[in-house]
Amino acid sequence: EDQVTQSPEALRLQEGESSSLNCSYTVSGLRGLFWYRQDPGKGPEFLFTLYSAGEEKEKERLKATLTKKESFLHITAPKPEDSATYLCAVQAVVQGAQKLVFGQGTRLTINP
Amino acid sequence: GAGVSQSPSNKVTEKGKDVELRCDPISGHTALYWYRQSLGQGLEFLIYFQGNSAPDKSGLPSDRFSAERTGGSVSTLTIQRTQQEDSAVYLCASTILGGGLLDTQYFGPGTRLTVL
Repeated sequence: EDQVTQSPEALRLQEGESSSLNCSYTVSGLRGLFWYRQDPGKGPEFLFTLYSAGEEKEKERLKATLTKKESFLHITAPKPEDSATYLCAVQAVVQGAQKLVFGQGTRLTINP
Repeated sequence: GAGVSQSPSNKVTEKGKDVELRCDPISGHTALYWYRQSLGQGLEFLIYFQGNSAPDKSGLPSDRFSAERTGGSVSTLTIQRTQQEDSAVYLCASTILGGGLLDTQYFGPGTRLTVL
């Protein structure tokens, strides 16, 4: 069964304190791994897609990396506006249908 | 261009009533997904439409849930005889499904359903 596990569930950092969020997955036939950001009361906002082990993507203070079993979302010198829930999802083909399997998310709080 | 829109943004209903939730996908997107997000939980897949193919209903939790997509565009998710456990945020997403970045799903703001 395809599974995605994110850790930690919640993370509190001081402004400027760098850290990493983890997304481990088991899926047959990975077609892509997606990172989304979700603010309270809003839908998930697309951040990155990674396709193959060793791939890295960057956007402002965020960098996503991918290995064969997990992905990391590194956040460097975060600011309070980076506070959000970060969702990881893997794209899999299930009985011919392309689906996203989501993790539970990591709730990130950056204190000023 | 406009993103995915959903209506209503909030819906409060009484147990046993039927509700309809609407999703307008991004123009030109052929695939449309419905998800449910319960408080503090991840996104749970409900149903998937792709072009003119039969929808994948494998995620619908019970036969009280149904969805249709008219004209390959707007979709409606219907929940009959609502129960308190149906309370959640219902999210819609659309994508082109053209491979690579074209598979990125773009989400609407969601409909928060509260069943009293």
